[in-house]
Amino acid sequence: IVLTQSPGTLSVSPGERATLSCRASQSVSSSFLAWYQQRPGQAPRLLIYGASNRATGVPDRFSGGGSGTDFTLTITRLEPEDLAVYYCQQYDNSPWTFGQGTKVEIK
Amino acid sequence: EVQLVESGGDLVQPGRSLRLSCKGSGFTFGDYAVGWVRQAPGKGLEWIVFIRTKNYGGTIEYAASVRGRFTISRDDSKSIAYLQMDSLKIEDTAVYYCIRVRRNYGFDIWGQGTMLTVSS
Repeated sequence: IVLTQSPGTLSVSPGERATLSCRASQSVSSSFLAWYQQRPGQAPRLLIYGASNRATGVPDRFSGGGSGTDFTLTITRLEPEDLAVYYCQQYDNSPWTFGQGTKVEIK
Repeated sequence: EVQLVESGGDLVQPGRSLRLSCKGSGFTFGDYAVGWVRQAPGKGLEWIVFIRTKNYGGTIEYAASVRGRFTISRDDSKSIAYLQMDSLKIEDTAVYYCIRVRRNYGFDIWGQGTMLTVSS
């Protein structure tokens, strides 16, 4: 399953909303769609699992949604620490695949 | 604290072998599937392998890019997973992350990564 993320780069002002898209080449069970955050120089960390469930310790300004082939990650009230690359991933069918990533920049 | 710590990354020549290790702590290692994700310099994430728990037969899944060259194993008594990498290629150059895998949660724990450079 190929995951295509858009946009490639998103430049957002602090306090504004960022909406990231992830489109799958075939239907993915919502139960097995995740989002990861990778800050500069750090390992990725799990943000969202099951398309819409926040992982432990993730602020509630992060939310996930979608189903089938279209999924979104929304960051409301963007903060400087949200500067990162965000990856969607499906773990429904092997080989598990990641999108190419969306880089979120702070204006 | 729940964590995974990788080790073993190095600079090796094409065609050679290397073994990476991943030690888990803060949880019962044998109760979880574990695997590896890699990231080439300046590139995105690529899942390459995982191994299920003994309760699920310890079965293994490989990505096509490493099948036949890489071998994952686990020693639950030591809380360690190993990645044996043979016939290394230049394109295997990457940071290798160890991951804890939970079927309904994805890759919920990541190590800090270990760097493999394949170069002559």
